[in-house]
Amino acid sequence: DTGVSQDPRHKITKRGQNVTFRCDPISEHNRLYWYRQTLGQGPEFLTYFQNEAQLEKSRLLSDRFSAERPKGSFSTLEIQRTEQGDSAMYLCASSLSLAGRQETQYFGPGTRLLVL
Amino acid sequence: DAKTTQPTSMDCAEGRAANLPCNHSTISGNEYVYWYRQIHSQGPQYIIHGLKNNETNEMASLIITEDRKSSTLILPHATLRDTAVYYCIVRGGGNNRKLIWGLGTSLAVNP
Repeated sequence: DTGVSQDPRHKITKRGQNVTFRCDPISEHNRLYWYRQTLGQGPEFLTYFQNEAQLEKSRLLSDRFSAERPKGSFSTLEIQRTEQGDSAMYLCASSLSLAGRQETQYFGPGTRLLVL
Repeated sequence: DAKTTQPTSMDCAEGRAANLPCNHSTISGNEYVYWYRQIHSQGPQYIIHGLKNNETNEMASLIITEDRKSSTLILPHATLRDTAVYYCIVRGGGNNRKLIWGLGTSLAVNP
C-alpha cells in the first residue's frame, strides 16, 4: 500500500510522559500536515510542512508540541509532559503541491492517544 | 471557523441515491468545495472537489449551484459501507493551505 502511514496506531501513556508519533507520507508528496481530532468533532489543523520547512503552526500547538520533517520525507510529532486533554486522534495528511494546480490532501489512519 | 453548514444527520436506504447538501453562502471566487468522509475510527477519505462545474468520479458526483452558495454530494447507489460522517469543506487557493472542518453530516445507510 502506498498511502499515508502512521505509527503507532494506538498509544496509551500516563500523564507527564513524552510521546512521539511518526508519519510517512505518500512518496514524492512535498507537503505534510498534522491535524488533531477529538471525539465528536472535525479535525483541527495543527501544522504543515513544505518539504522540510514548517510553514504554519496553529495556536493549538502549544510549546509542549513539536513537529519535524528533517529530510522532507517522514515527519514526527512529539508531545512533551502529556496532559489528559491531549487525548485525541492525531491525523497526518500529505499532498503534492504544484504551481497552478489545486492540491488534495490524503490522510493516514491516525494515531489514537489516550493519556491516563 | 468552518465556512460551511451541513445537516447533522441523514438516513438513506441501501441501493438508493444519497444526496448530501452543503451550504457555503460566503464562498469567494477562488475557493474550492471539497468533500471527505470518515468511517468510524478511520482517517478521513477524500471523495471529490470542485470549483464551479459539476464533477463526477468513481465514488460520487458533486453538483455546485450556479451562484456557488451551495452544493450537493451524490452517492448514486448507497451501500452499507457508505455509512460515515461526510464533511464539506471550503478551501481557498493561494497561501490558505489548511482544511477547516465543521461537524459534518452523519449518514446512516439502512438495509
